[in-house]
Amino acid sequence: GDSVTQMEGPVTLSEEAFLTINCTYTATGYPSLFWYVQYPGEGLQLLLKATKADDKGSNKGFEATYRKETTSFHLEKGSVQVSDSAVYFCALITGNQFYFGTGTSLTVIP
Amino acid sequence: SAVISQKPSRDICQRGTSLTIQCQVDSQVTMMFWYRQQPGQSLTLIATANQGSEATYESGFVIDKFPISRPNLTFSTLTVSNMSPEDSSIYLCSIRGSSSYEQYFGPGTRLTVT
Repeated sequence: GDSVTQMEGPVTLSEEAFLTINCTYTATGYPSLFWYVQYPGEGLQLLLKATKADDKGSNKGFEATYRKETTSFHLEKGSVQVSDSAVYFCALITGNQFYFGTGTSLTVIP
Repeated sequence: SAVISQKPSRDICQRGTSLTIQCQVDSQVTMMFWYRQQPGQSLTLIATANQGSEATYESGFVIDKFPISRPNLTFSTLTVSNMSPEDSSIYLCSIRGSSSYEQYFGPGTRLTVT
């Protein structure tokens, strides 16, 4: 069945370091792909999305490119800040059903 | 995007009691969704609530344990009945965006059962 697999955490980085969180997916159709972020004590917020192959989603310095050939949607940021500390969820929708990854906890230290 | 609010934001409840969580959206939506996020885990869909019809429950969730009301197009409630410590989770209300492939979430209700 359809699913999302995320890199396990937790991830700890120093401020201004480069971030990559890996996400791969399995889908029978043509899914749209998402990254959500959950800051401490809050609900999920949509961070970025891509709806077709080779699309690049971007927001707040984060980027992810929809790679159909590798079925991946890795999240990247060139220089993380302490305020980026959160849990990041990769997700896809296919048909009418959403699938979420297990989440990757990121802590950025000054 | 719509603004989604939930009440209460958190609660500590005793085993065997019930808690009703409210979800309010600032615009009319056809489908509302209830998710559970257990500690350190991803989201699990509990049920889909359409106005004017019975909620549709996912495998592993039953109406007697998680009754849902959907009285109008902007409001829904989820009740967690006869609670046990295993019900300690964050419960999230969610809606689809105007482009149906986007999903938006409320701030969540953090429930602790002692």
